Amino acid sequence: GDSVTQMEGPVTLSEEAFLTINCTYTATGYPSLFWYVQYPGEGLQLLLKATKADDKGSNKGFEATYRKETTSFHLEKGSVQVSDSAVYFCALSDNGGSQGNLIFGKGTKLSVKP
Amino acid sequence: SAVISQKPSRDICQRGTSLTIQCQVDSQVTMMFWYRQQPGQSLTLIATANQGSEATYESGFVIDKFPISRPNLTFSTLTVSNMSPEDSSIYLCSAGGSGNTIYFGEGSWLTVV
Repeated sequence: GDSVTQMEGPVTLSEEAFLTINCTYTATGYPSLFWYVQYPGEGLQLLLKATKADDKGSNKGFEATYRKETTSFHLEKGSVQVSDSAVYFCALSDNGGSQGNLIFGKGTKLSVKP
Repeated sequence: SAVISQKPSRDICQRGTSLTIQCQVDSQVTMMFWYRQQPGQSLTLIATANQGSEATYESGFVIDKFPISRPNLTFSTLTVSNMSPEDSSIYLCSAGGSGNTIYFGEGSWLTVV
């Protein structure tokens, strides 16, 4: 079945460091891909998404590009801030996006130190 | 985007009791989803709730333990029955919004003592 694999955490960075969180997927069709963020004590928020190959999702300085050839959707940010400390989840939807359920990776906890 | 509200946001429950979580969406949606997030874990889909039909449960989840209602296109409830400490989790409601995106409520944080 479909699955999402993301890098194990926790990841600890200094403020203004470059961030990459790797995410790869397996899917039979052409899924939509998402990154969600969960700040401490809060629910899930959509961070960015991409619905087809070569699409780039971006939000709040974060970016991820849908790479069909490598089945990847790595999350990047050029300069992290303390406020970016959170758990990041990569996810895919293989049922038409808004009409389908999501398959999540295990989450990567990011801690940014001042 | 869709705005999804859940109640209660947090609760401490006694072992053996049941609790019903409510989920309200600000627009009509065909399908709503219930997820569980156990402490320090990722999200696991419990069931998909369609209006006018019985919910579809994922492997490992049964209706007797997690009965779901979906009385209309904007509302759903999930009941966690006969709770045990292993049911201590965040329960999240989600629904599809515009632009092929799935949105989540803020979650209901349950602790069973």
